[in-house]
Amino acid sequence: KAGVTQTPRYLIKTRGQQVTLSCSPISGHRSVSWYQQTPGQGLQFLFEYFSETQRNKGNFPGRFSGRQFSNSRSEMNVSTLELGDSALYLCASSLGVDGSTDTQYFGPGTRLTVL
Amino acid sequence: TQLLEQSPQFLSIQEGENLTVYCNSSSVFSSLQWYRQEPGEGPVLLVTVVTGGEVKKLKRLTFQFGDARKDSSLHITAAQPGDTGLYLCARRGYNFNKFYFGSGTKLNVKP
Repeated sequence: KAGVTQTPRYLIKTRGQQVTLSCSPISGHRSVSWYQQTPGQGLQFLFEYFSETQRNKGNFPGRFSGRQFSNSRSEMNVSTLELGDSALYLCASSLGVDGSTDTQYFGPGTRLTVL
Repeated sequence: TQLLEQSPQFLSIQEGENLTVYCNSSSVFSSLQWYRQEPGEGPVLLVTVVTGGEVKKLKRLTFQFGDARKDSSLHITAAQPGDTGLYLCARRGYNFNKFYFGSGTKLNVKP
């Protein structure tokens, strides 16, 4: 079965621009989570979508937003880019059921560089 | 808020050596996961530990969950260059799939 795919893999933007990243989960998975990974802050949770609804949210400013479509594909958007938004953005999909056994499968990430 | 502390941050060893990585928290958690991430890839789940005192083995990797469910360790026996990567521990938050990750241990195994 195909894994989690993220597009694009690499992106270069300038300050003030906006960007949209895409994630296609594993077939049958209804939960998609987004994470930001930086050398200084590590892996930080952005938000989780389940059945087209945002179910969980991390501590990021409103410039970071997302959505999920009826086929479970998800996009995240960052507006008014800042230099500090340069990071690896990871998407993870899972069945989304409650309980400690639900497994997240991560995509390869999108490397965003803000100049 | 850094809920999970991992140590050491960096580890560089020779092939064949043993090593232990630690993950600690001041609060109790219901379960803990260990991931390995290789350059250019997303993290891959290695194991989930749920019960206090639980020990799980995955080939040369041994995972232990502390009795009080506040800490965990990962021990690698006879490390191989293929073990090189970033090892991350993670705990699930109180709400479904909100996960908190430790800062990671970067392991380099030299041939």
